[in-house]
Amino acid sequence: GQQVMQIPQYQHVQEGEDFTTYCNSSTTLSNIQWYKQRPGGHPVFLIQLVKSGEVKKQKRLTFQFGEAKKNSSLHITATQTTDVGTYFCAGPNNSGYSTLTFGKGTMLLVSP
Amino acid sequence: DTEVTQTPKHLVMGMTNKKSLKCEQHMGHRAMYWYKQKAKKPPELMFVYSYEKLSINESVPSRFSPECPNSSLLNLHLHALQPEDSALYLCASSHIAASTDTQYFGPGTRLTVL
Repeated sequence: GQQVMQIPQYQHVQEGEDFTTYCNSSTTLSNIQWYKQRPGGHPVFLIQLVKSGEVKKQKRLTFQFGEAKKNSSLHITATQTTDVGTYFCAGPNNSGYSTLTFGKGTMLLVSP
Repeated sequence: DTEVTQTPKHLVMGMTNKKSLKCEQHMGHRAMYWYKQKAKKPPELMFVYSYEKLSINESVPSRFSPECPNSSLLNLHLHALQPEDSALYLCASSHIAASTDTQYFGPGTRLTVL
């Protein structure tokens, strides 16, 4: 199936610092979705990117889709303790299935 | 109502037990999913139901048996599980089974197999 590689695996920041997680694919993605999973919780949809070079913002979160549609990033400005969790990107499964394959996720820890 | 509910929240079972996990959504979604998630790993797709028919089985062992009684309900029947099957089992739904569709996840059932 489709492989979406995500880095870093883990990041620990001080509150107020910025954070970025990256998602890369060896093949062109028709779309990419981002989910957040809080500790002990379940994945919650954040956003979907579809267009080449697309940039979307949600308050302090900025999502980008690369021009070649092979990479994506999530940037959080001035992190808060409420941002703690694991951020997953998810791309289409290219094995003929119309579903998603999740990246390994980036676990974000924010210290006050 | 954008909620997917799952019962039970926690389940402990022996390797000879038979148990079932239940999932329900009332969003009118026609695709429902079972995922398995181990600690510090991403959700791993197990089954997809599309319009109440099983459309994807990701080579899951037969000790896991899914069932979709109607468009709102999804069950996962468990029998003769192994300790390595201990994990968080997540149910999700979406409008249709498409990679462009948002998936709504339930809170999960945390399963421990002794």
